[in-house]
Amino acid sequence: DAKTTQPNSMESNEEEPVHLPCNHSTISGTDYIHWYRQLPSQGPEYVIHGLTSNVNNRMASLAIAEDRKSSTLILHRATLRDAAVYYCIRVASGSRLTFGEGTQLTVNP
Amino acid sequence: ETGVTQSPTHLIKTRGQQVTLRCSSQSGHNTVSWYQQALGQGPQFIFQYYREEENGRGNFPPRFSGLQFPNYSSELNVNALELDDSALYLCASSLWRTSGTNEQFFGPGTRLTVL
Repeated sequence: DAKTTQPNSMESNEEEPVHLPCNHSTISGTDYIHWYRQLPSQGPEYVIHGLTSNVNNRMASLAIAEDRKSSTLILHRATLRDAAVYYCIRVASGSRLTFGEGTQLTVNP
Repeated sequence: ETGVTQSPTHLIKTRGQQVTLRCSSQSGHNTVSWYQQALGQGPQFIFQYYREEENGRGNFPPRFSGLQFPNYSSELNVNALELDDSALYLCASSLWRTSGTNEQFFGPGTRLTVL
């Protein structure tokens, strides 16, 4: 099964950057790294994905280690609306997503 | 562009009954996946449909079945409901790609309670 390891919880202050780590030491060369987040009482929401290079979009940045065994999701300025469970997922071909427990991010005002 | 919708929002059933949950995919998407999310856990993959055919299944028994229609909407059917089937059922639509690059768009889910 496609395993990743994330801390159970993290805490941040509003308007500060947040770095959410993920380990995927057994990743294969063609697996993509996807991040989704789930706000309370909502379905998961796509955040970002990447293969080897660092990626940026309007929501976040994804930094992937050179050996691809780990990655970090970066929220540049956390807001209260960013409080959610963040899931790091390895994705091979097709669309199956194997969710772990994720990281519960708390943002303090 | 309309998003993914699911119905009903909430549902209460008793053990042994059957239930059908519905999902309308995002416009232009040809793939739908269903997930079960127990309280406090991450979603678990049930199965996926692509062009009306089952295209992958997770570790769920045959009493979990599905359909995808020509307009790419979908149904999840669960027979002989058990108490452990109580969960949030999530539908996600996407555009099929052989690589792992496609993002999935999730609906708000159907909360099923089995008494």
